[in-house]
Amino acid sequence: DQQVKQNSPSLSVQEGRISILNCDYTNSMFDYFLWYKKYPAEGPTFLISISSIKDKNEDGRFTVFLNKSAKHLSLHIVPSQPGDSAVYFCAASARGNTGGFKTIFGAGTRLFVKA
Amino acid sequence: SQTIHQWPATLVQPVGSPLSLECTVEGTSNPNLYWYRQAAGRGLQLLFYSVGIGQISSEVPQNLSASRPQDRQFILSSKKLLLSDSGFYLCAWSEVRGNQPQHFGDGTRLSIL
Repeated sequence: DQQVKQNSPSLSVQEGRISILNCDYTNSMFDYFLWYKKYPAEGPTFLISISSIKDKNEDGRFTVFLNKSAKHLSLHIVPSQPGDSAVYFCAASARGNTGGFKTIFGAGTRLFVKA
Repeated sequence: SQTIHQWPATLVQPVGSPLSLECTVEGTSNPNLYWYRQAAGRGLQLLFYSVGIGQISSEVPQNLSASRPQDRQFILSSKKLLLSDSGFYLCAWSEVRGNQPQHFGDGTRLSIL
């Protein structure tokens, strides 16, 4: 059961344009959402997050939007740069049964930014 | 500042051999610790997480086990590796207070022959 889905395995965007990466989730208990960026042979690095009490969070070129009623979030990168080319993982977090917070990751979307 | 160390970076093991991957965190106390696996072309699958010494939660039934013998040490083990255990294994930590991002190590590429 995929609780976090990234339906686009890849996305290609021209440098300077906007990149929009999408993510859907099914579990209404998720209350914290994150985006990670991953280069080959490295661990993911945290990019930006949003709490379920907000619908938008912005950090420089990166903005995350959350639509709770649709159980959908998106990451906007504008303007896109060639260095943004990487795999982007959407993640959703909820409190686990034994305490702590359990985070579920989507399958990732590979972003290509063409110069 | 906090750092996470994971080793080895790559490992080639025969089927049926044992496994021990180690992860240590520096610069923080009582972190939440996680083991993930990324199979080829797939996302990150949570294998185990721990909120304290000796406390392990298993997310999927499998051939692997985890242990946390010290506060900042997390070990992933297997007694007999299967071909299906091949993948990219990632250790991560997060602050214990509330919802916090996870910070990942550089991963171990495990190939089973």
